[in-house]
Amino acid sequence: NAGVTQTPKFQVLKTGQSMTLQCAQDMNHNSMYWYRQDPGMGLRLIYYSASEGTTDKGEVPNGYNVSRLNKREFSLRLESAAPSQTSVYFCASEPRQGNPYEQYFGPGTRLTVT
Amino acid sequence: AQSVTQLGSHVSVSEGALVLLRCNYSSSVPPYLFWYVQYPNQGLQLLLKYTSAATLVKGINGFEAEFKKSETSFHLTKPSAHMSDAAEYFCAVSETGYSTLTFGKGTMLLVSP
Repeated sequence: NAGVTQTPKFQVLKTGQSMTLQCAQDMNHNSMYWYRQDPGMGLRLIYYSASEGTTDKGEVPNGYNVSRLNKREFSLRLESAAPSQTSVYFCASEPRQGNPYEQYFGPGTRLTVT
Repeated sequence: AQSVTQLGSHVSVSEGALVLLRCNYSSSVPPYLFWYVQYPNQGLQLLLKYTSAATLVKGINGFEAEFKKSETSFHLTKPSAHMSDAAEYFCAVSETGYSTLTFGKGTMLLVSP
């Protein structure tokens, strides 16, 4: 099992460009999450999908959109990138919400917006 | 609303010394509490979690944490630090099983020989 995979690993964008970060899990998990990690800020939740077909905003959703393509895949889209979106992005999955299951994290995507 | 405070953005210890990383939480209901570890250039992995069973929770790599309701704390300890423990540690809280996780800002553990 690969666990949670993320592509790309690194990306440099110019202000105003768009891109989609891909995330896939092969553990048959129902819930999936997108976080951003900034120095000194910990992890902040951008969007999550409690189950296939549903998505909800987290703490910092502005400037992002998500798609739960199927049970395995959960993508994060930046429509018009801004320097404030320079960050490390982590995708995570969880068997399902309800009971404190462990979240499994991908290796991250390092995004720089110039 | 739930929140987590981790005291100290950096903690330095010598190899073989006690590790103590502090976490205090705020929650309107008995929470679920977690410690995650992040090694350089990797994602997070779970060290241990508190789910209202035993207040002393043992995790991987010799770490443990004690839930103290009266102090709203969930501090992480390890009796003897190893060089391989150098990493960033995050405390997280979930008010119910259906709440999302709220993470603290993290504590970087530095271990010197």
